[in-house]
Amino acid sequence: GENVEQHPSTLSVQEGDSAVIKCTYSDSASNYFPWYKQELGKRPQLIIDIRSNVGEKKDQRIAVTLNKTAKHFSLHITETQPEDSAVYFCAASNTGGFKTIFGAGTRLFVKA
Amino acid sequence: EAQVTQNPRYLITVTGKKLTVTCSQNMNHEYMSWYRQDPGLGLRQIYYSMNVEVTDKGDVPEGYKVSRKEKRNFPLILESPSPNQTSLYFCASSFLPTGEGNQPQHFGDGTRLSIL
Repeated sequence: GENVEQHPSTLSVQEGDSAVIKCTYSDSASNYFPWYKQELGKRPQLIIDIRSNVGEKKDQRIAVTLNKTAKHFSLHITETQPEDSAVYFCAASNTGGFKTIFGAGTRLFVKA
Repeated sequence: EAQVTQNPRYLITVTGKKLTVTCSQNMNHEYMSWYRQDPGLGLRQIYYSMNVEVTDKGDVPEGYKVSRKEKRNFPLILESPSPNQTSLYFCASSFLPTGEGNQPQHFGDGTRLSIL
């Protein structure tokens, strides 16, 4: 079945450095790719999303890139801060199926 | 305040005792979904619903039932819970896809179920 692979599972960076999380999806019909941030004990919250008709999207320190040919998409966080520490999930979904497949998550630690 | 409300937040129960986790949203969303979250596995979709009386299986539907009698409510039913259903459960909702594609999902605060 369809799946989304996410790497790395754990990422530790120094405050101010950049962090990159990568995802690969298998369903070529996927057309919507959200990223969620989940702080400890909290709900997942959408931080940015990208659609298949766009190659890159940016929102302040966060950006997402999409390579449809390779079926890769990535989350980039610049100038990381301790409050960026959380688990980040990528996901892929397609309009026809209504299913959403999540990656296994990346635990990001930002050291002050 | 726009929100997805799940109840209970925590539940410890025993094998075989039927339980229901309720989910309600006040955003007039057509699409609702249930996920379970387990360490190292991310969020896995159990069931989803595109509108009243329309439900479909996600990736891990075994052992679960859902119903969608009203637009705002989407309860998750465990008829005969077993220990392997011990997990953190999230309900989510969104509008149906538009011409641009799928819409962002809004999550509830989660329900931690422990089945002994």
